[in-house]
Amino acid sequence: GDSVTQMEGPVTLSEEAFLTINCTYTATGYPSLFWYVQYPGEGLQLLLKATKADDKGSNKGFEATYRKETTSFHLEKGSVQVSDSAVYFCALSRRSNDYKLSFGAGTTVTVRA
Amino acid sequence: DAGITQSPRYKITETGRQVTLMCHQTWSHSYMFWYRQDLGHGLRLIYYSAAADITDKGEVPDGYVVSRSKTENFPLTLESATRSQTSVYFCASSELDLLNTEAFFGQGTRLTVV
Repeated sequence: GDSVTQMEGPVTLSEEAFLTINCTYTATGYPSLFWYVQYPGEGLQLLLKATKADDKGSNKGFEATYRKETTSFHLEKGSVQVSDSAVYFCALSRRSNDYKLSFGAGTTVTVRA
Repeated sequence: DAGITQSPRYKITETGRQVTLMCHQTWSHSYMFWYRQDLGHGLRLIYYSAAADITDKGEVPDGYVVSRSKTENFPLTLESATRSQTSVYFCASSELDLLNTEAFFGQGTRLTVV
């Protein structure tokens, strides 16, 4: 079945540091890939997505590129802020699996001033 | 209020009791989902619905029941709560499918079974 593996956290960074969160997946066919973010006390919200190989998703300074050859979708941000402190989830969905989202375990990121 | 709302936000119940978690969305989205969030497991799909009166099992459906008589509502019932069902539950909705649209999540219900 489908699975998503994220780097384990927690990750603690200083402001303006570079952030990368690794994500790899296992799925048949051509899944769409997503990063969701969960701020403290809130539900998840979509951060960015990519629907085909070599697509780059970007939002709020975050980027991730869909790499089919390495089955990866790593999240990066060049200069983090305290407001980026959150839990980040990598996820995938496939048409042939009724579009159900499969999530990774989540990575907790804390940015210190 | 527009959006997707869950109620209650917090619930404590005893083992063996029946409890229902409510989910309401105002967009008339076709798809609705229930997930549970547990440390180390991320989010796991319990049940989902592609339209009113159409529901299907997800990854961890045992011990749960859903119904969807109206497009906007998707309640989740724990028939006889167990301690292993202590978790944070998230409802989500989306239009058409998740391949090219995003899922919108509620704020979650934190359920404790004692």
